[in-house]
Amino acid sequence: SQELEQSPQSLIVQEGKNLTINCTSSKTLYGLYWYKQKYGEGLIFLMMLQKGGEEKSHEKITAKLDEKKQQSSLHITASQPSHAGIYLCGADKKMQGAQKLVFGQGTRLTINP
Amino acid sequence: GAGVSQSPRYKVAKRGQDVALRCDPISGHVSLFWYQQALGQGPEFLTYFQNEAQLDKSGLPSDRFFAERPEGSVSTLKIQRTQQEDSAVYLCASSLERLAGGEQFFGPGTRLTVL
Repeated sequence: SQELEQSPQSLIVQEGKNLTINCTSSKTLYGLYWYKQKYGEGLIFLMMLQKGGEEKSHEKITAKLDEKKQQSSLHITASQPSHAGIYLCGADKKMQGAQKLVFGQGTRLTINP
Repeated sequence: GAGVSQSPRYKVAKRGQDVALRCDPISGHVSLFWYQQALGQGPEFLTYFQNEAQLDKSGLPSDRFFAERPEGSVSTLKIQRTQQEDSAVYLCASSLERLAGGEQFFGPGTRLTVL
């Protein structure tokens, strides 16, 4: 079965610094989703990547899917306290025309003022 | 409503009790998913509905877990004879799409604690 490994598992950065979170798959990714989760809350959709080499940006967050479609990275520029939370990557696991998502274990991001 | 809602938000049950968790998806969303998220882990798939049909229940950990969506909107996840290992956050998600590629919108989850 497909497994997703995220690194690092936790990250503490100074406000204003850049950071990168990685998500590596054991199989080719057909759809890669990035979500953010705050404690006690549900997942908030950030971005979806489908094509090898694809890159998407939203505000200060950029996500990339490598050409081989087995690794994705999430990069935050000039981090802010509002970026703190748990970042989860999810892979599209197709079944019967719709998808269920297989998730990594998450990366806990702390931003120090 | 504007988003996916779940109730209750928190549930404490004694071992052996039955619990029922409710999910109200976004109106008109065809697909509905249940996930279980243990502490410090990513969500794990439990079951999937397309309208009222349960098309995949491969992630349900035991026959104590049962889910239904009788009218194709609200869904209930029932856990019978709860055990301590059932303690987790149960997340519901809905998607407008029937086909692959649709974004899943998640509810806030129900945190279940079994004592």
